[in-house]
Amino acid sequence: AQKITQTQPGMFVQEKEAVTLDCTYDTSDPSYGLFWYKQPSSGEMIFLIYQGSYDQQNATEGRYSLNFQKARKSANLVISASQLGDSAMYFCAMRPSLSNQFYFGTGTSLTVIP
Amino acid sequence: NAGVTQTPKFQVLKTGQSMTLQCAQDMNHNSMYWYRQDPGMGLRLIYYSASEGTTDKGEVPNGYNVSRLNKREFSLRLESAAPSQTSVYFCASSARDTTPYEQYFGPGTRLTVT
Repeated sequence: AQKITQTQPGMFVQEKEAVTLDCTYDTSDPSYGLFWYKQPSSGEMIFLIYQGSYDQQNATEGRYSLNFQKARKSANLVISASQLGDSAMYFCAMRPSLSNQFYFGTGTSLTVIP
Repeated sequence: NAGVTQTPKFQVLKTGQSMTLQCAQDMNHNSMYWYRQDPGMGLRLIYYSASEGTTDKGEVPNGYNVSRLNKREFSLRLESAAPSQTSVYFCASSARDTTPYEQYFGPGTRLTVT
């Protein structure tokens, strides 16, 4: 079975600090992709970052980085230097390479405090 | 490029009424998806279409039907709406063969069934 778990319903971070949002996954597929999306209060879903299961290095995109620990089946999102505009829901997702389906976690609500 | 468009943005239905949610993408993607988003439950897949001419059930297909009209368009139909179908509906598309094959989402349809 494929499953994504996000155990932090809500997180707070001080502006300019770094924050880690947790994501663990379960799959028996040997190859898969991991994704993070941001959903601000306006409702749209914004793609942030991707990690392939065979990528040797952790993915980075600007202030976003993905702390990928394959043996622990975790794919945590790290946001550095938090900004007020980072306040949003964040979703972790996985797509097994042999499937066309994406599996989403229940999300983490991040609030950045000025 | 418009990306993924959805109509309507808002809809109120009475129990038992039917309606069709429309989705179109202009990115030449093979795969298209319909999700529903309910508070605390993340995104749940209703149906998806890996390519033109094919559709498959997702996690929560009961009460819905879909049509992949052509490569661009993927519609979701509620034949007899129920209050349990009150939700926000997202359409998404993705490439299938080129990483990172992230999903691109439409703006969503907020549906209320009374």
